[in-house]
Amino acid sequence: GAVVSQHPSRVICKSGTSVKIECRSLDFQATTMFWYRQFPKQSLMLMATSNEGSKATYEQGVEKDKFLINHASLTLSTLTVTSAHPEDSSFYICSAPRGNTEAFFGQGTRLTVV
Amino acid sequence: GQQLNQSPQSMFIQEGEDVSMNCTSSSIFNTWLWYKQDPGEGPVLLIALYKAGELTSNGRLTAQFGITRKDSFLNISASIPSDVGIYFCAGQRSGGFKTIFGAGTRLFVKA
Repeated sequence: GAVVSQHPSRVICKSGTSVKIECRSLDFQATTMFWYRQFPKQSLMLMATSNEGSKATYEQGVEKDKFLINHASLTLSTLTVTSAHPEDSSFYICSAPRGNTEAFFGQGTRLTVV
Repeated sequence: GQQLNQSPQSMFIQEGEDVSMNCTSSSIFNTWLWYKQDPGEGPVLLIALYKAGELTSNGRLTAQFGITRKDSFLNISASIPSDVGIYFCAGQRSGGFKTIFGAGTRLFVKA
């Protein structure tokens, strides 16, 4: 079964509103989680590293005020897309490493901004 | 920035054929990974490679970590229709799970 759960799987919102996406690690704790964005027919692009208890680390070109990340607990990280616009429509995916083995990915969230 | 060059971009093959795809990088990675992604889903790990020169199999899949740590290939033998999907190579540096992805190879299998 899934070890990383992402919610919601799909969301449609109006332009100008904010959307929150949750990423939960199931049955394990993750001090670090990663957020990716994937446009249609493109690869996964790392947006930011979410750190429990401290600020997120953003990749170059990613606006931290636009994409708010909160690592609220050892099993939950949230990504909030603020003042969403149609160009923010994308597939957002999180991942969480478990131990020293591998990082597991969530099911992804398809965001459509209309 | 770090980039992984993955090829081919897409492949159209007949069921039963073998498939090969590869990735190269200008920089060294400590770990190479191969993922498969189905439409509307997150990627699923197929094979992880940790040592230079390592050759690892997972069923009909075989992957190798290049000796220079700058390349890797994935082979799929005797392809079946359910192999259809996007295959991504990915690399990780030491000290964490920050993962850089290649552009992906779209595989189409004709029954």
